[in-house]
Amino acid sequence: SYELTQPLSVSVALGQTARITCGGNNIGTKNVHWYQQKPGQAPVLVIFRDTNRPSGIPERFSASNSGNTATLTISRAQAGDEADYYCQVWDSSFTYVFGSGTKVTVL
Amino acid sequence: EVQVLESGGGLVQPGGSLRLSCAASGFTFKHYAMNWVRQAPGEGLEWVSTISGGGDRTFYPDSVKGRFTISRDNSRNTLYLQLSSLRVEDTAVYYCAKEGAGTYHFDYWGQGTLVTVSS
Repeated sequence: SYELTQPLSVSVALGQTARITCGGNNIGTKNVHWYQQKPGQAPVLVIFRDTNRPSGIPERFSASNSGNTATLTISRAQAGDEADYYCQVWDSSFTYVFGSGTKVTVL
Repeated sequence: EVQVLESGGGLVQPGGSLRLSCAASGFTFKHYAMNWVRQAPGEGLEWVSTISGGGDRTFYPDSVKGRFTISRDNSRNTLYLQLSSLRVEDTAVYYCAKEGAGTYHFDYWGQGTLVTVSS
């Protein structure tokens, strides 16, 4: 089965840039989606189809996908960006696969 | 405004059954696949099941196949998940999630309903 690997945690200084990676075999050939989940809340879609932001998601959130790594970038990090972030792909065996999640801390 | 609202969670003994519901509004329900995703306490997200817009195709991971049944009533804009032969490890918040257009992702999520399996 397909697996996605994320770092357990990422720390970023207020106003700086955070990068969260999502590793998978040839993940660049798949569509990658990213979700933000704040404590006690439901997940929210922040990036779909590799690089697209849903309406209402700030431009500070961007992403890329190539080779074996997809990356979510949070620019000008704010305290409100503290959350768990999950990557997700759809596997050809009709399985939705999530990464294990990355906790982002804004210092 | 798209909204999905889950209900039906609760405490159930191992081996027991429960039915979850998800009421949807703000979009043409029958045009979209719908999903259930769960999250065990302190853990990550796990996909549980998917049903096509017409209800004729269903999909499950091996962890729940044969025990959980997803269904929908397009006349009521409601999604269901029948949970049977429940195990302690099925304890989780269960989220209803609308399928995004085109590329197998979840664009709107409910607030979730907690299922606790314990004796």
